[in-house]
Amino acid sequence: GEQVEQLPSILRVQEGSSASINCSYEDSASNYFPWYKQEPGENPKLIIDIRSNMERKQIQELIVLLDKKAKRFSLHITDTQPGDSAMYFCAAVNTGNYKYVFGAGTRLKVIA
Amino acid sequence: EAAVTQSPRNKVAVTGGKVTLSCNQTNNHNNMYWYRQDTGHGLRLIHYSYGAGSTEKGDIPDGYKASRPSQENFSLILELATPSQTSVYFCASGGNTGQLYFGEGSKLTVL
Repeated sequence: GEQVEQLPSILRVQEGSSASINCSYEDSASNYFPWYKQEPGENPKLIIDIRSNMERKQIQELIVLLDKKAKRFSLHITDTQPGDSAMYFCAAVNTGNYKYVFGAGTRLKVIA
Repeated sequence: EAAVTQSPRNKVAVTGGKVTLSCNQTNNHNNMYWYRQDTGHGLRLIHYSYGAGSTEKGDIPDGYKASRPSQENFSLILELATPSQTSVYFCASGGNTGQLYFGEGSKLTVL
């Protein structure tokens, strides 16, 4: 099936610094790019998303960037806090068929 | 907040046994999904559905069947469970906004 590559798989950052997670996709028909956060023992929850008609979106400390030409998108968490420690998943979605393909995930650890 | 309920939450099965994981959503979403989550593999799509009576194969459908008898319910069926199917299974539903709402997960252990 269509692949979404997500890197890095593990990310350790100092509290207060920035964290960046990168994803790339294959399906040029993908037009919706959400990011999910999963706390230990819980289910994934949407934290931010971007659609193909945008290049940048920010919600508080979360910034997502989309480069459609390169088929890449990224999540940037500024001023990280211990509460940001979690698994993060990107996805690339073709809303023509709503086949939701996730990346393999990034385990973020914010060190106090 | 969308509500997606999975049952059972924990299941121990024997090799060769039949396992059914059930999912119910109360938000009238057309799309429903079954994923399995394993360390190092993230969320892998098993089956999905566009509505009652529809089932589609995901990326790893082998060894699994799915059933969507109604808008609200979507089941995942393992006819002959194997130890390799030991995993955490998540059901999710989604509407036209694209956002998925996940259930709490079902932990399956096949001995």
